[in-house]
Amino acid sequence: DAMVIQNPRYQVTQFGKPVTLSCSQTLNHNVMYWYQQKSSQAPKLLFHYYDKDFNNEADTPDNFQSRRPNTSFCFLDIRSPGLGDAAMYLCATSRDRGFQETQYFGPGTRLLVL
Amino acid sequence: AQSVTQLGSHVSVSEGALVLLRCNYSSSVPPYLFWYVQYPNQGLQLLLKYTSAATLVKGINGFEAEFKKSETSFHLTKPSAHMRDAAEYFCAVSGWGGYNKLIFGAGTRLAVHP
Repeated sequence: DAMVIQNPRYQVTQFGKPVTLSCSQTLNHNVMYWYQQKSSQAPKLLFHYYDKDFNNEADTPDNFQSRRPNTSFCFLDIRSPGLGDAAMYLCATSRDRGFQETQYFGPGTRLLVL
Repeated sequence: AQSVTQLGSHVSVSEGALVLLRCNYSSSVPPYLFWYVQYPNQGLQLLLKYTSAATLVKGINGFEAEFKKSETSFHLTKPSAHMRDAAEYFCAVSGWGGYNKLIFGAGTRLAVHP
């Protein structure tokens, strides 16, 4: 089945130690998104890639970066994680960026910062 | 500007009872509306979406939603709740920022009791 895959499902890192979360997709979608979801809150969009074009949200901290080396893969890099960065990180994809296009979500990576 | 309001952060029903989760939106343009479900420690799964083709939209798992322009509402219903429906439900509107950026409501946690 075509799907969005996130690895690992759980990630533990230390305060200030860089960490990378991975997302891959077999849907061949043009757009890939990264969301941060804190406990009992709605997902918050960090940024998205439209093909190779990176689009950052205005309020995303500089501590968060992303890379998309090819259509299938997208990475979220947290350069110096703080305790406040502990959250679920969700990757999503869509075929295109039209208003009616559905976003398909992966299972998420739960990040714990010690 | 677009926004989504979900009335009731927690809803509790008995197994077999009607499920009604409320969603109201504000949008300056015809909206595209989505309902997603999130089970514990999982990503978001699309239940259904409204894209102006029909006001009554049927989704997966027996859920449906009716778009009412006069009430700016898109409430989610299911005639008979199952234990497996216990989850967090998010209503979202698309189109902010000129693309399919999702503006989520705060979510409603549905509990189903035997």
